[in-house]
Amino acid sequence: DQQVKQNSPSLSVQEGRISILNCDYTNSMFDYFLWYKKYPAEGPTFLISISSIKDKNEDGRFTVFLNKSAKHLSLHIVPSQPGDSAVYFCAASAGNNDMRFGAGTRLTVKP
Amino acid sequence: ETGVTQTPRHLVMGMTNKKSLKCEQHLGHNAMYWYKQSAKKPLELMFVYNFKEQTENNSVPSRFSPECPNSSHLFLHLHTLQPEDSALYLCASSLGTSVWNNEQFFGPGTRLTVL
Repeated sequence: DQQVKQNSPSLSVQEGRISILNCDYTNSMFDYFLWYKKYPAEGPTFLISISSIKDKNEDGRFTVFLNKSAKHLSLHIVPSQPGDSAVYFCAASAGNNDMRFGAGTRLTVKP
Repeated sequence: ETGVTQTPRHLVMGMTNKKSLKCEQHLGHNAMYWYKQSAKKPLELMFVYNFKEQTENNSVPSRFSPECPNSSHLFLHLHTLQPEDSALYLCASSLGTSVWNNEQFFGPGTRLTVL
């Protein structure tokens, strides 16, 4: 069963505008959420995380929002840059070894 | 240099072959993971090792056999695979496995094709 879903396989944004990547989850036991970024021919790299006790975490141009009641989180990138073009994976864990990943969203930032 | 290396980067094998994937981490981490990434599917966790002990086996077929001789090295032994096993196999490591230290660092992956 797919407990973490990224329903948009791709997203295209103009440079300088905001990119919003969305992620939904079904398991209410998840209490820690992460975003990973993946370039071609490389493994995913950790980007930003948020625990369930918060609803927002910001790191430079990247902000993650968590809506626990809706079981939804989003990653905002502003302003978007061409170097942000990559596949973004949402991940969630319930405090154990088992981290579940979404299928990824391919972001393309056009100059 | 990500700190996690995987060899080989590409592997083509027949269904009767036996091969092994190797992962090495230089980060001083204690936990290591194998994931499978099939096209347009979520990353699937296969195995987890913590301090060389296997702590997770997510119903992986026995044709995949992991080995963790120490905290820095992880192998995935492959035998009698099927074409549907063709995928990108990613290794990852983390400092620990609790929610506060399980941020994972990934290797570049091995692209496996089974003919």
